[in-house]
Amino acid sequence: EAGVAQSPRYKIIEKRQSVAFWCNPISGHATLYWYQQILGQGPKLLIQFQNNGVVDDSQLPKDRFSAERLKGVDSTLKIQPAKLEDSAVYLCASSWEGGRIPGGLFFGSGTQLSVL
Amino acid sequence: GNSVTQMEGPVTLSEEAFLTINCTYTATGYPSLFWYVQYPGEGLQLLLKATKADDKGSNKGFEATYRKETTSFHLEKGSVQVSDSAVYFCALSGNFGNEKLTFGTGTRLTIIP
Repeated sequence: EAGVAQSPRYKIIEKRQSVAFWCNPISGHATLYWYQQILGQGPKLLIQFQNNGVVDDSQLPKDRFSAERLKGVDSTLKIQPAKLEDSAVYLCASSWEGGRIPGGLFFGSGTQLSVL
Repeated sequence: GNSVTQMEGPVTLSEEAFLTINCTYTATGYPSLFWYVQYPGEGLQLLLKATKADDKGSNKGFEATYRKETTSFHLEKGSVQVSDSAVYFCALSGNFGNEKLTFGTGTRLTIIP
């Protein structure tokens, strides 16, 4: 079974530039999550999708971050414009229909973003 | 809101030593508790979990017991190996099977031969 795919693996940009990350969840997984992991901290949930609808985006900085999940499969997370404090690893995770398997999240390898 | 407090790292041990990584939590209701592991260059992987009080999760020689009275979920292993070197995260999920995870800050473990 293929895992959660993310790209790119690394990205270096200057502040005020834009950047986008892509995630392809495990086939059949209805729920998709984006987490931000700042160095030395635990991952923090940015947004949760159930199919192509947003379930929770309470911690997403909506003035600069946006995310979409077209057709309930792939997802894209965008930052525009980027700030220095956005330097982090962005993790995508997916799971079966939300609520059935506590903690049954499968994570991708992440995209490491450096904002200079 | 929910929160997780983990033992500060980094932790360095010799091979075959006994490992404990402390984890305590604050949550309302009946959360499920987890340990995730992140090996170098890889994504987070579920190591073990416990979904109710007094449950013991175990995997790959690691164990953790859900202690509601002390709000703790300490990770233990009797004899660590070099291959256990990784970052370990304690986490909890919400009530009623809500899978959204709240993570601790992580503990980096290095095992020396």
